[in-house]
Amino acid sequence: GAVVSQHPSWVICKSGTSVKIECRSLDFQATTMFWYRQFPKQSLMLMATSNEGSKATYEQGVEKDKFLINPASLTLSTLTVTSAHPEDSSFYICSARDYSGPGTGGQETQYFGPGTRLLVL
Amino acid sequence: GQNIDQPTEMTATEGAIVQINCTYQTSGFNGLFWYQQHAGEAPTFLSYNVLDGLEEKGRFSSFLSRSKGYSYLLLKELQMKDSASYLCAVRDGDYKLSFGAGTTVTVRA
Repeated sequence: GAVVSQHPSWVICKSGTSVKIECRSLDFQATTMFWYRQFPKQSLMLMATSNEGSKATYEQGVEKDKFLINPASLTLSTLTVTSAHPEDSSFYICSARDYSGPGTGGQETQYFGPGTRLLVL
Repeated sequence: GQNIDQPTEMTATEGAIVQINCTYQTSGFNGLFWYQQHAGEAPTFLSYNVLDGLEEKGRFSSFLSRSKGYSYLLLKELQMKDSASYLCAVRDGDYKLSFGAGTTVTVRA
């Protein structure tokens, strides 16, 4: 199946610092990448959509100046949490849309990276 | 927006069958996904339905009724490793996924 990597897998940082998370599709070219956040015992919440060659589209309530997303290439998207605070501590997961993927009946699907656990002290 | 409901928890014994229901009310529909998520890990893709009916994939099957806004994931011959959270997700016309809160399945010996 399609593989999506994320780096780093976990980060511990001091309050006020910025953290950069990379998401790569390793064996396919993603048309779109998505960034999610998941708090403990809660489901995934979409933060933003990143299309190759265009600016990211943010969901309502997500601060675009705080969560900077670089326009995706076909294989890479980055999320930068600027001036991180303890309330930003969460599990950040990216996914990549595989247009020609091996999903059921040849339909496309989204494949998730392994996630990045961020702890802000 | 999307409103997706699924039970919070289910418990079953090893070797048994469990059915996880998902109902949704959406402003747009372009497919329904089921994902498995083990604690501390990212979700892994299980199944995708866009047309009505049953999709079977080994021990896992997924059913969709678009007119009823209803889907279920059927897990057969449960194994201990199937203990996880199962997420129902609906995709809209912009290819965005909205997730349900997840159903935690506990498999007991």
